[in-house]
Amino acid sequence: AQKITQTQPGMFVQEKEAVTLDCTYDTSDQSYGLFWYKQPSSGEMIFLIYQGSYDEQNATEGRYSLNFQKARKSANLVISASQLGDSAMYFCAMREGHGYSTLTFGKGTMLLVSP
Amino acid sequence: DGGITQSPKYLFRKEGQNVTLSCEQNLNHDAMYWYRQDPGQGLRLIYYSQIVNDFQKGDIAEGYSVSREKKESFPLTVTSAQKNPTAFYLCASVDSYRDSPLHFGNGTRLTVT
Repeated sequence: AQKITQTQPGMFVQEKEAVTLDCTYDTSDQSYGLFWYKQPSSGEMIFLIYQGSYDEQNATEGRYSLNFQKARKSANLVISASQLGDSAMYFCAMREGHGYSTLTFGKGTMLLVSP
Repeated sequence: DGGITQSPKYLFRKEGQNVTLSCEQNLNHDAMYWYRQDPGQGLRLIYYSQIVNDFQKGDIAEGYSVSREKKESFPLTVTSAQKNPTAFYLCASVDSYRDSPLHFGNGTRLTVT
């Protein structure tokens, strides 16, 4: 079974609109972390936002926020006021346990922002 | 500036040849990772190392080998046994905290013909 599921292969949004990228996860651990990365066409992986399983507040970083629903095991990324530069591939990832545990990635969602 | 350097950016090899991808970091991170990325597949873990002279297989280690003789360096060798080596390879490192993100290099695109 997939540990990270991103059901939207591609999303389109107009500039200045908000967009939600979906991510569901599967784990039996009580302690885990969820990450979102952005990958532009250049290939670099840019860390956007983190949510810990024990964090009570949803994480926010500038225009990025994470809609964390623990009971539903979802960690959706919300981008407010989309910009043309937001066009990229977006990956959700999970780290289970502690320390140097590895990250498991979803297959990604391609976001295209139009003028 | 601290970061992870992967070289070369593009690499071309003939089928049947081994090839080594370089990964160097000056972040003083203990743990380092190699991921492979194929279109539509996301990132899949090849090998990782939490300490010098020790490493573990990831989900798709067959046909790959690594070494970790220095904290700063974690080279990946793609051997001739790897059936589909053409892919984008990403190296990453992390410090010791659970909520720390992986820091990635800019990747190496390997094409084998």
